[in-house]
Amino acid sequence: EVQLVESGGGLVQPGGSLRLSCVVSGFTPSTNWMHWVRQVPGKGLVWVSRISSDGSVTTYADSVKGRFTISRDNAKSTLYLQMDNLRAEDTAVYYCATSSRSLLDFWGQGTVVTVSS
Amino acid sequence: DIQMTQSPSSLSASVGDRVTITCRASQSISTYLHWYQQKPGKAPKLLIYDTSTLQGWVPSRFSGSASGTDFTLTISSLQPEDFATYYCQQGYFTPWTFGQGTKLEIK
Repeated sequence: EVQLVESGGGLVQPGGSLRLSCVVSGFTPSTNWMHWVRQVPGKGLVWVSRISSDGSVTTYADSVKGRFTISRDNAKSTLYLQMDNLRAEDTAVYYCATSSRSLLDFWGQGTVVTVSS
Repeated sequence: DIQMTQSPSSLSASVGDRVTITCRASQSISTYLHWYQQKPGKAPKLLIYDTSTLQGWVPSRFSGSASGTDFTLTISSLQPEDFATYYCQQGYFTPWTFGQGTKLEIK
């Protein structure tokens, strides 16, 4: 069974940093691109970032470009999202997901990030 | 960015009803349109991919279709477990974008 488990969320002050992790089990993630998607509670889904299977290609939403960094360690089956210079508008549930071609086929349960003073 | 306009934003229906949710892309996205189902407090689940292909767990009362840049999710006979929020997503252009969601509620 494929499982993705996020961690690292929490409460942080504006301007602060957090590092999210997503551990994958049940399949070999090194063959898949992986993504982060966020959702403000009660609102819709917003794609944040993606990384290629070997980590050589990364893409970001304009809203996080220059502040967030996606990375992965395939030996540890782990995806990361380093979030710096956090803003109140980054408050959301963050999901990691795997992708096959153009779709998101497996999702984690999400980790909550709250940016507030 | 590709805009995905989903309608309606909410829908009240009864068990056994036929319902249709529409997603319009701001430009051509070929068949790279996918639908997700999300229940409260849970992660989204892939429901239909490539416009009309059902994921393995999805019952046949669900279907997807397209006409140009208009995409449709149809549930032929609503069941209690279908009440959820549904999102469309285009995967043709980066950034991938989602519709605003349709919350399907029990009447």
